[in-house]
Amino acid sequence: ETGVTQTPRHLVMGMTNKKSLKCEQHLGHNAMYWYKQSAKKPLELMFVYNFKEQTENNSVPSRFSPECPNSSHLFLHLHTLQPEDSALYLCASSQDGMGETGIYFGEGSWLTVV
Amino acid sequence: AQTVTQSQPEMSVQEAETVTLSCTYDTSESDYYLFWYKQPPSRQMILVIRQEAYKQQNATENRFSVNFQKAAKSFSLKISDSQLGDAAMYFCAYRSAREVNNDMRFGAGTRLTVKP
Repeated sequence: ETGVTQTPRHLVMGMTNKKSLKCEQHLGHNAMYWYKQSAKKPLELMFVYNFKEQTENNSVPSRFSPECPNSSHLFLHLHTLQPEDSALYLCASSQDGMGETGIYFGEGSWLTVV
Repeated sequence: AQTVTQSQPEMSVQEAETVTLSCTYDTSESDYYLFWYKQPPSRQMILVIRQEAYKQQNATENRFSVNFQKAAKSFSLKISDSQLGDAAMYFCAYRSAREVNNDMRFGAGTRLTVKP
């Protein structure tokens, strides 16, 4: 059982759709992250929130819009995506923004854009 | 910028044997953290072991241990008594201790197969 839960686990959407990925952490952490994992590429950091404040936006296109209403929940709103956005999206959390004890990942949301 | 290199795309080991996965990194910083993550077919990334750069003693977690060579910027993972459940992708990761919310750099991964 994971302390970081992601829903949905699988999502298929058209390029004109609007959908959202949800992440919830039950670890009492204060920092949350979105990572993108594509085939044959290293994990890419997309966004970081620390105490609900966005502190990192790693040059992510505006068709990805994060939202962090509180320290336990993180959303990734998706709009007008492209087929190359198909990937595994991993949510993670850490005790604080330093992450010295490591960051803890959810099981990921598989996104397919058709 | 810091980079993490895993030079072995694939490795295999016989069950109950020992295997070592390699990782090197490039940094000009002196204070940082290193991690090994395991990603089984379920795709969840699981933290296996961590090492603080200021500690000379190599970290150990049950059957998993690391060989941390700071001068050589090397951080290999040794899995002893390999089990079928160890089959997974293994990622080495680096994180600076200098800044808040900085990026955790991941290597490209090593796919480990365990043969019964």
